[in-house]
Amino acid sequence: DADVTQTPRNRITKTGKRIMLECSQTKGHDRMYWYRQDPGLGLRLIYYSFDVKDINKGEISDGYSVSRQAQAKFSLSLESAIPNQTALYFCATTEGSNQPQHFGDGTRLSIL
Amino acid sequence: GQQVMQIPQYQHVQEGEDFTTYCNSSTTLSNIQWYKQRPGGHPVFLIQLVKSGEVKKQKRLTFQFGEAKKNSSLHITATQTTDVGTYFCAVDSTGTASKLTFGTGTRLQVTL
Repeated sequence: DADVTQTPRNRITKTGKRIMLECSQTKGHDRMYWYRQDPGLGLRLIYYSFDVKDINKGEISDGYSVSRQAQAKFSLSLESAIPNQTALYFCATTEGSNQPQHFGDGTRLSIL
Repeated sequence: GQQVMQIPQYQHVQEGEDFTTYCNSSTTLSNIQWYKQRPGGHPVFLIQLVKSGEVKKQKRLTFQFGEAKKNSSLHITATQTTDVGTYFCAVDSTGTASKLTFGTGTRLQVTL
């Protein structure tokens, strides 16, 4: 969905490095989400936010942090990357309750 | 927490054959969403089911919500190579309509 933009698209880095993945959206949605996808495990929720003052942990938040800089921007950070955080990361937005989620193109992250 | 089982994990069919994926929940659901992810792509919303026993069709795709609202299915009639991808169900994990729990997905491969 071109209205949800993730940067970078690909990143290779080393263990222990700090990494930030960025997500911006032009849909005007309040709700934003970060997921990670691993083969055979589907999409798992890391963090979500309903507005700039509302941040919530998902099912796998350990080792991650987020920042909601504005309604349109939601960043995911790995403070000290480890190899098992190698995955495909998706940002998504939604208009509200029981509405479709709109995903960015994803960031493929490899940690060596 | 919410558990969502999706079967099969993988299916390989010849073009023209039918395909069905099933999503089963341990608890009664308020609604269920279905997404498709093409290889190398991001999840794209297909449909949402809300009512018990609901059946919705999109061309060759038929979606059904169980009478007890604990399971759902997606059936594709006469598959085409354009149907290749992974199909995910997603459910409201808390009953508050705040976040989704995704199934592990069914990967469909279609060959000529």
